[in-house]
Amino acid sequence: AQSVAQPEDQVNVAEGNPLTVKCTYSVSGNPYLFWYVQYPNRGLQFLLKYITGDNLVKGSYGFEAEFNKSQTSFHLKKPSALVSDSALYFCAVIPMGSARQLTFGSGTQLTVLP
Amino acid sequence: EADIYQTPRYLVIGTGKKITLECSQTMGHDKMYWYQQDPGMELHLIHYSYGVNSTEKGDLSSESTVSRIRTEHFPLTLESARPSHTSQYLCASSDTGGGAFFGQGTRLTVV
Repeated sequence: AQSVAQPEDQVNVAEGNPLTVKCTYSVSGNPYLFWYVQYPNRGLQFLLKYITGDNLVKGSYGFEAEFNKSQTSFHLKKPSALVSDSALYFCAVIPMGSARQLTFGSGTQLTVLP
Repeated sequence: EADIYQTPRYLVIGTGKKITLECSQTMGHDKMYWYQQDPGMELHLIHYSYGVNSTEKGDLSSESTVSRIRTEHFPLTLESARPSHTSQYLCASSDTGGGAFFGQGTRLTVV
């Protein structure tokens, strides 16, 4: 069965500093990987995805993520954090070509301090 | 416009009432999902569907039921609501590429 781990419940970073939200996964075969963001009292919004190709994928709001197959990781990054980036971030995985449902991580609360 | 819609956005009802949370998508996706989420907490899959007349229970046991009579519609029903059902319910749909699109959610409060 597939699984996703987000080892940090909370990440705090100062505005202007780079941020990283960690995600590791376990899946049979090659994965599709996703990042979603949830602002307070809002639904989940898609940020970016890795399907195939370049290991570094760029998404919305200046976020990017790097797929590392050997480490089974898909960490979310941004070079310069904004206070408005403060939100709950979820990593998700689905095996490539599978009919199975998305599996989400437990979420990481990102707080960017002014 | 292609999107996924949930109604109502907010619902406060009394214990024992029957409720149906609506979810519709206009993207023609075969796969649809219901997630339960307490505020600021992780998502728990409670139901999913791979197509018309296909429904499965998810990872989290739920007293709710779902139906999938039409591709675009995936309603969730609670026959007798209880305070323990108070939560946010998120509906999603996805295509074969796996990326899911989420509705705005329904915040349910059972008093």
